This record gives sequence, structure tokens and C-alpha cells, in this order.
Amino acid sequence: EADIYQTPRYLVIGTGKKITLECSQTMGHDKMYWYQQDPGMELHLIHYSYGVNSTEKGDLSSESTVSRIRTEHFPLTLESARPSHTSQYLCASSEFGRGTGELFFGEGSRLTVL
Amino acid sequence: GEDVEQSLFLSVREGDSSVINCTYTDSSSTYLYWYKQEPGAGLQLLTYIFSNMDMKQDQRLTVLLNKKDKHLSLRIADTQTGDSAIYFCAEGPGGQGGKLIFGQGTELSVKP
Repeated sequence: EADIYQTPRYLVIGTGKKITLECSQTMGHDKMYWYQQDPGMELHLIHYSYGVNSTEKGDLSSESTVSRIRTEHFPLTLESARPSHTSQYLCASSEFGRGTGELFFGEGSRLTVL
Repeated sequence: GEDVEQSLFLSVREGDSSVINCTYTDSSSTYLYWYKQEPGAGLQLLTYIFSNMDMKQDQRLTVLLNKKDKHLSLRIADTQTGDSAIYFCAEGPGGQGGKLIFGQGTELSVKP
């Protein structure tokens, strides 16, 4: 079982609020990722990190920001939430080096912005 | 750029076999993966296959890889209602490489 945790699992907030989605992993993985999953099921990579103090934007442009101050922690922040940000956000991690490169996913954070 | 394509829906009867298909474009991919997502949850790795293999079997799951046609399939034998989920195909370079590329997901519906 993967040791990667996301909080909150569900969040309903009003427009204009600042929110932070938390993601922590206890596997010591260097690589971490945030995906946005739309109602049509497709996964879109919005941010990734290959280590502490390293963050990159993903394939889908997002108004969110991320930080990686500690290996185990990769929070995602929206400064001013809008209804268009309503989505499921999935955090994942993987090990750098030899191996399959498989991703381990958290359970997801479902965000609804009213 | 790299692309992974899947059909969006599959419906089968309980006890039948399910076959979910995937095509990919990056011939340099080292690993190909199948993930399962149950409602309201994250993705879980079901199985993977190394690119120099043609087939991998794991209990009810059989993965077939045709490198020439860049085609990957997942066969689930004796499909159960608990297999109802979204299945994602993905390709990637392995641990020393970059990102995984995911397909759009196939929603499998198993009817009793």
C-alpha cells in the first residue's frame, strides 16, 4: 500500500478564497507530481518536482502554485479560487533511479468552488 | 509529441473476459503500465510490462504488448462487478527518466 496522503479529501469553498491542498509521502521519493482530473476522466499534469527546491509547470497551464521545501511535502496553493478550479486533484510520487518509475498516487482532493 | 490513446467505455457481463486496448506513439518507452481507479479514489498500479516483453500474466490479468504496432492490451479473465472502474494505460522511461504519459482512461462497466 502506498504511503502518500492528501488532505483534505473534500473541500467546498466560495469564490475568492485561498486554499492549500496538502500532499505528503513517507517513501523518501524525490519526484512528486500534481494532476488535475476533469469530469471526463483524463489526467492533466499541472506541476511536478524532482527534488527539494525544484518545481516545474506541467503540460496543462494552471493558476495554482506549488512549493517543495521538504522532500516529503508538496503542497498546492490557489490564491483566489474560482468555479473553473472545481476538479479532482491527485498527488503522486515516484522514486528516482533504477526501477520501473511507477507512480504512487494519493486518494485525491475533490475541490468544489461555488 | 508523445500520445496514448484508449477507447473510453467498455461494458461486459460478469464472468466474461474484458479486453482493454491502448495505443502509444513513443517507441522509446521502457515501461508500459496499467492503473486502476475506483470511484472517488486515486490510481493504483495494477501491473506493468517491460518493453522487451511480449506478454505478462498475473492471476486474472494478462498484458500483451505488440511493439511493432505500439499496441498494449489488458485482459481481465472472469470479470467481476468489483472490477468496475476506470483503467488507465501509461508509458514511461523508467526510474531514471522523465514523466509518464497517460491515456484518457477506459471506463469498464461490469453487469451482473
